[in-house]
Amino acid sequence: GDSVTQMEGPVTLSEEAFLTINCTYTATGYPSLFWYVQYPGEGLQLLLKATKADDKGSNKGFEATYRKETTSFHLEKGSVQVSDSAVYFCALSDQGGSEKLVFGKGTKLTVNP
Amino acid sequence: GAGVSQSPSNKVTEKGKDVELRCDPISGHTALYWYRQSLGQGLEFLIYFQGNSAPDKSGLPSDRFSAERTGGSVSTLTIQRTQQEDSAVYLCASSPQRNTEAFFGQGTRLTVV
Repeated sequence: GDSVTQMEGPVTLSEEAFLTINCTYTATGYPSLFWYVQYPGEGLQLLLKATKADDKGSNKGFEATYRKETTSFHLEKGSVQVSDSAVYFCALSDQGGSEKLVFGKGTKLTVNP
Repeated sequence: GAGVSQSPSNKVTEKGKDVELRCDPISGHTALYWYRQSLGQGLEFLIYFQGNSAPDKSGLPSDRFSAERTGGSVSTLTIQRTQQEDSAVYLCASSPQRNTEAFFGQGTRLTVV
């Protein structure tokens, strides 16, 4: 069935460091891919998405590219800030497959000043 | 124009009691999800409603858990004979259609004592 595997962390970085959180997926159909973020004490919110191969999603300085050949959707940011400290979840929704949103286990990021 | 609304925000119940958790999705959204998030853990899928289709109940952990969605809108998640391991945050989300991003509520924190 559909599944998402992401780097579990926790990840601790200094401010202005480069961030990569790896995410790979397994899907039977044509998935849309998402990154969600959960800031401390807040609910989940969509960070970015990509709906087809080679699409790049971007928001708040974060980027992720839909790579069908490697079944990956890695999250990157060139220079993290303390305010980026949160838990990040990779997810997919598989049109032609199960269709429900399937999440990875989440990666906790802490950025120190 | 409000987002996904969940009630109650917090619930403390005694072991063995039944509880009902409510979710009001965004108006017009056809898809509705329930997830469970235990402390420090990822998102565990529980159930998925899509329009008038039969719900995907594959994530319900036992027959003590059930959910319904009346009139394609409000949903209620019922847990019978609660156990301490049911303690978690229960999250509801809705989507406007298949394979699009989900919008999450703030969750109901359930504590079974």
